Formats: sequence, C-alpha cells, structure tokens
Amino acid sequence: DTEVTQTPKHLVMGMTNKKSLKCEQHMGHRAMYWYKQKAKKPPELMFVYSYEKLSINESVPSRFSPECPNSSLLNLHLHALQPEDSALYLCASSQGQGIEKLFFGSGTQLSVL
Amino acid sequence: AQSVTQLDSQVPVFEEAPVELRCNYSSSVSVYLFWYVQYPNQGLQLLLKYLSGSTLVKGINGFEAEFNKSQTSFHLRKPSVHISDTAEYFCAVSPNTGGFKTIFGAGTRLFVKA
Repeated sequence: DTEVTQTPKHLVMGMTNKKSLKCEQHMGHRAMYWYKQKAKKPPELMFVYSYEKLSINESVPSRFSPECPNSSLLNLHLHALQPEDSALYLCASSQGQGIEKLFFGSGTQLSVL
Repeated sequence: AQSVTQLDSQVPVFEEAPVELRCNYSSSVSVYLFWYVQYPNQGLQLLLKYLSGSTLVKGINGFEAEFNKSQTSFHLRKPSVHISDTAEYFCAVSPNTGGFKTIFGAGTRLFVKA
C-alpha cells in the first residue's frame, strides 16, 4: 500500500463551523505533513509531525489545529475559518528523516463561505 | 536558506515534440533535488529525484533530468510528449541536513496540444 488517503475530498463550511480533515497512511512512514495550496501556486508547508510529535509549525493561525493520534493518522481541525482559507489542503508522508521524497494524498478542496 | 526558480510559468508544446522545463536553485548547503507532477484535482506525484551519483536521472513516464552543479540547475526533459503529460510540474529542493523543509518552485504548466 503506497497511498496516502485524505477525506473528505471536498468540504464547504461557514465561518462559524468546526470541521476536521483526515489523512491516513500505512507505509510505516514516521513523518506526516500538512500543506496548503492555493490555485496556480506551489504547496506551502503548514505543519510537520515527526514520530507523532509536532516538529514544525510554520506560524499558522490558531484556527488551524493539527493532531497526530498515531503513526498512521493525521488530522487537521478547522474552526472559525476565513474565506481566504479556501484552498486545497494536502497531506503528505515520508520515511522520517526529512530529506526523502514526499508521498501526497489527493487533497481536500476546502471552500469557506 | 534555499530557493527554487522555475523559469517558465507556462510551456505550450505540440504532441510528440521534445520539451524542457527549466529549474534553477540556490542553497548554502548541499541539497537533494526533485521533480513532482500534479494532474488536475490531484496531489503531487514524484517524477524523479537526484540524491548523489550520476548527474543524469531517469524517472517515470519517460522523463529525465540533469543535475548541473556549476550552473545550479536541474532541468527536466522528455524527448516526445503526449497529451496525457499536460499537468503542473514542480521542481523542489531539500537540504541534505534534513529538517523536513522541502522548498517548491512556483510551478510550470505544461500544455500539450494535438
């Protein structure tokens, strides 16, 4: 199994809603990432978990809250988002040393109304 | 710190023609180099990578890239493109000291015309 699975594929939410994005991998990778990608732009790193501990937080607003329940799962909790947060949110994983190739999921297309 | 410059935002090309997508990088440390492809409504997929050794790297779907240390370039090439190669291509670098911070270029949109 060489897949990173993200759910849901599409999400529409209001600015007062609370929702969560989910990501799962079964490749034994020990590093998991959240990226944000706006249309026609490259992915921007948000968070990195290494061995289930938050390793990098790229000064992301607190309305985004990551969680890594175990080595296979990664969640991104969303609360009180703004319309400018609308984007494709990509989950990725790598073996764990931070220098290898990244395996990406298909993403969640988020629209904030 | 590292940076990546993709010199062309869009590259239109006819089917079966050769193509080159250009990438230059800068870094104060040694880096690993990658090319990723993104098809519409999908995540990124690795095409090829350069870690060390031979400077000519072959990847999937008939793509290859050449690492040129003196010119700090890592250009992607394919001798004959197909309609299905239409996608966004991202060059990326990662410092060989680790740290999880892969830096992506702005992307090049390859558009293959019939």
